[in-house]
Amino acid sequence: AQKITQTQPGMFVQEKEAVTLDCTYDTSDPSYGLFWYKQPSSGEMIFLIYQGSYDQQNATEGRYSLNFQKARKSANLVISASQLGDSAMYFCAMRDDTGRRALTFGSGTRLQVQP
Amino acid sequence: DVKVTQSSRYLVKRTGEKVFLECVQDMDHENMFWYRQDPGLGLRLIYFSYDVKMKEKGDIPEGYSVSREKKERFSLILESASTNQTSMYLCASSLGTSRYNSPLHFGNGTRLTVT
Repeated sequence: AQKITQTQPGMFVQEKEAVTLDCTYDTSDPSYGLFWYKQPSSGEMIFLIYQGSYDQQNATEGRYSLNFQKARKSANLVISASQLGDSAMYFCAMRDDTGRRALTFGSGTRLQVQP
Repeated sequence: DVKVTQSSRYLVKRTGEKVFLECVQDMDHENMFWYRQDPGLGLRLIYFSYDVKMKEKGDIPEGYSVSREKKERFSLILESASTNQTSMYLCASSLGTSRYNSPLHFGNGTRLTVT
């Protein structure tokens, strides 16, 4: 069974600072993919970044990067130079070899960026 | 861009009513999903479909059924709505490949209140 754990229900960060959102996962499959989504107050789920289990380098997308530590089974999202528009819920998710094609999501972290 | 459209943004129904939540995607995706989102629990998979007339149960299928008669449309049915089904319901779609990096594309959600 797969599981995603996000231990930070809420986080605060000052504008222009970097912030790390934690995510640990549990799977016995060697092949899997890890995703991060952003959900603003408007409700839509926005795909941010992807990391594959065999990827040699940490994924980056603009101000988003993924700190992937395979041995520790962690896939933390790093947001650099936070902006007020980054205030949102952030979800970590995983797909593995169960074959269901769906993503399993964590409980989310609410990030608030303060001016 | 992929567009996933959920027919209603807000719904209010009475206990015992049969409720239909409709979802349409315009990118010819094979896979479609229904999740419910509750505070502190993240997104939980109710059902998914990988082809027309094909469906599989997710983690919390009790009290729900689904229908996929056409590739672009995936309906979630609450046979007899109960107050514990008050929630945000999110529909999503994805490519029907075995690639781990295929993200889910979400609709804007339907907030259902059962009174």
